[in-house]
Amino acid sequence: TQLLKQSPQFLSIQEGENLTVYCNSSSVFSSLQWYRQEPGEGPVLLVTVVTGGEVKKLKRLTFQFGDARKDSSLHITAAQPGDTGLYLCAGGSAGGTSYGKLTFGQGTILTVHP
Amino acid sequence: GAVVSQHPSWVICKSGTSVKIECRSLDFQATTMFWYRQFPKQSLMLMATSNEGSKATYEQGVEKDKFLINHASLTLSTLTVTSAHPEDSSFYICSARFQGGKNEQYFGPGTRLTVT
Repeated sequence: TQLLKQSPQFLSIQEGENLTVYCNSSSVFSSLQWYRQEPGEGPVLLVTVVTGGEVKKLKRLTFQFGDARKDSSLHITAAQPGDTGLYLCAGGSAGGTSYGKLTFGQGTILTVHP
Repeated sequence: GAVVSQHPSWVICKSGTSVKIECRSLDFQATTMFWYRQFPKQSLMLMATSNEGSKATYEQGVEKDKFLINHASLTLSTLTVTSAHPEDSSFYICSARFQGGKNEQYFGPGTRLTVT
């Protein structure tokens, strides 16, 4: 069974601060997705990384996939109240009976105070 | 692109009745859809994998006779909660797997089920 440990679980910061969320696993993933979810809504896909060592930037968000494709991080620069939400990482399986499934981390609830 | 809708967005039903939730991929075809359950402030819990034209695959601990899944077309999957009980109250979310090598799933907006 693949597990994805996400940390921290809760993050409460002031507007303008930087933060990093981590996802770690002992398993190799074929891809790694990051989602953001607001209360009462479905998760929205932010980015997909597939290559070990890959770095993707989305405005103030920087996503990194570990060289061994077992871990990933999300870094937010100068956080804003609009960044508040539940952030989820999810690892994609390459094949076998788990093909197509995503393994989700426990989630990080981010609150950015004005 | 890659929009998934869910209907209804919320539903209240009485204990013992059945409720059907629809999940549609609006602008792409999805041979595989997934159904999740989510408790407040927690991550998603996969319930089952729905494959077009074949039986759904349920995760361990999920009762297939209680949570009936039908994937009759490439754009529609339905989840029917049969003989609902208050403990079935939850947020149910579907996703559709986008064809391609990145294993991306696009999620519906979710359905809030309350069983009284």
